[in-house]
Amino acid sequence: EVELVNSGGGVVRPGGSLRLSCVVSGFNFEDFAMTWVRQVPGKGLEWVSTINWRGSHTDYADSVKGRFTISRDNAKDSLYLQMNSLRVEDTAFYYCARGIAPAGTNPFDYWGQGTLVTVSS
Amino acid sequence: EIVMTQSPATLSVPPGERATLSCRASESVSSNIAWYQQKPGQGPRLLIYGESTRATGVPARFSVSGSGTEFSLIISSLQSEDSAVYYCQQYNDWPGSFGQGTKVEIK
Repeated sequence: EVELVNSGGGVVRPGGSLRLSCVVSGFNFEDFAMTWVRQVPGKGLEWVSTINWRGSHTDYADSVKGRFTISRDNAKDSLYLQMNSLRVEDTAFYYCARGIAPAGTNPFDYWGQGTLVTVSS
Repeated sequence: EIVMTQSPATLSVPPGERATLSCRASESVSSNIAWYQQKPGQGPRLLIYGESTRATGVPARFSVSGSGTEFSLIISSLQSEDSAVYYCQQYNDWPGSFGQGTKVEIK
C-alpha cells in the first residue's frame, strides 16, 4: 500500500525556519518526481515546489523562490522542504505529493495527510 | 502563469442526478488537466487526468470532457459520498496551477 507521511509542521515566528519531511512507503521512491503543495485553511491549492526523481532538477513557485529548498534522500525514501525567512502568508497545510512520472509537470496520484505550518508573532 | 477558473463555486444537486463542474484555462492546456476530490480533513484525491484516465478505484460515474481551454467534470449519478470540493489542475506548463474549487453539495 502506498503511503506518504508528512511531519515537521508547527508554530514559528516570522523570519523563522522549519524543515518539513515526507517519508514514503509502498513504492519505489526513486522512480517518481515529488512535489510540495500547500493549502491555506479553507482555501485552494498552491503548487510550491517539485524535485525530479534523482534530485538533479528543482522548480519553485515565485512566492517561495530563494526562501524554500526542496530535497530528497532516495536511500531513506524521504522528501524534505527547508523553509527559511518564513512569512505570515506561508501559513498553510503542506502536503507532499507523488507525481505520476519521474520528472516534469504531472498530476499527483498520492498525497500525504498534510502538516500545518503556522507563522505568527 | 496559466490561470484556472472553476464554476460554479457551489453546486447543489439531488442524489441520483447529474452534476457538471466547469473549468476554464486562461490559455490552451491541450488535454493536460487533472481533477481532484477533497473531503474535509483529508488531502486531495486524484480522480481523472488527461483525456479520460481514471485513477485507481475511481468509479465510472466520474468522466471528463473538453480540451484546449474549456473542460468539464461530470458525475453521472450523484451519490452521498460525492459531497466534497473538486479542483481542476493544469499540468501543461509550470507551475501546475489549480482552480479555486467547486463545492458539491447533496440537495
